[in-house]
Amino acid sequence: EVHLVESGGGLVQPGGSLRLSCAASEFTFSRSAMHWVRQAPGKGLQFVSGISLNGEATYYASSVKGRFTISRDNSKNTLYLQMGGLRPEDMGVYYCVRGHSGHLLPHYFDDWGQGTLVTVSS
Amino acid sequence: DIQVTQSPSTLSASVGDRVTITCRASQSVGSWLAWYQQKPGKAPKLLIYEASTLQTVVSSRFSGSGSGTEFTLTISSLQPDDFATYYCQQYNSWTFGQGTRVELK
Repeated sequence: EVHLVESGGGLVQPGGSLRLSCAASEFTFSRSAMHWVRQAPGKGLQFVSGISLNGEATYYASSVKGRFTISRDNSKNTLYLQMGGLRPEDMGVYYCVRGHSGHLLPHYFDDWGQGTLVTVSS
Repeated sequence: DIQVTQSPSTLSASVGDRVTITCRASQSVGSWLAWYQQKPGKAPKLLIYEASTLQTVVSSRFSGSGSGTEFTLTISSLQPDDFATYYCQQYNSWTFGQGTRVELK
């Protein structure tokens, strides 16, 4: 069974930075595109960012472009999301997601972690 | 960006009812549409992909149809375990619909 475990969430002030991590196991991490999806409290799902299997291609939602950076370390089976310039509207649960492809071509999302909560407040 | 609109936002139904949720894309996405189920406090779970293909181990009471810009998710006979929130997603650029909460009437 695929295992995705997010960490790094917490309380941060507006304008601050945070780095999320996602430890992956029970599948060949280096063959899967990976994504971050977030969910504000009581709200719907919002795509944040995606990265191809080798990290060469990335994609961002317009709301986070220029502030967030997605990356991966295939030697550690770990996905990252570096978040900067955080705003109250960035608050929510951040899910690590495995894509059904290695590349950033159209594909759906196979597996989800349990999420890590990011709170942006002064 | 491709926008995705789901309706209704809330649906009240009884066990055994047939329910239908609609998803509309702002431009054609072909069959690149998925449906997910989410229960409170849990991560979403993939139900259907390519508009109508059932994910492994998902009950056959779930079905999907449509192509282009209009899609539907149907639950043929609602069961107690089906009360949840459902999201569609176009995976050309991965945007989600706003969600439909299926609640007990």
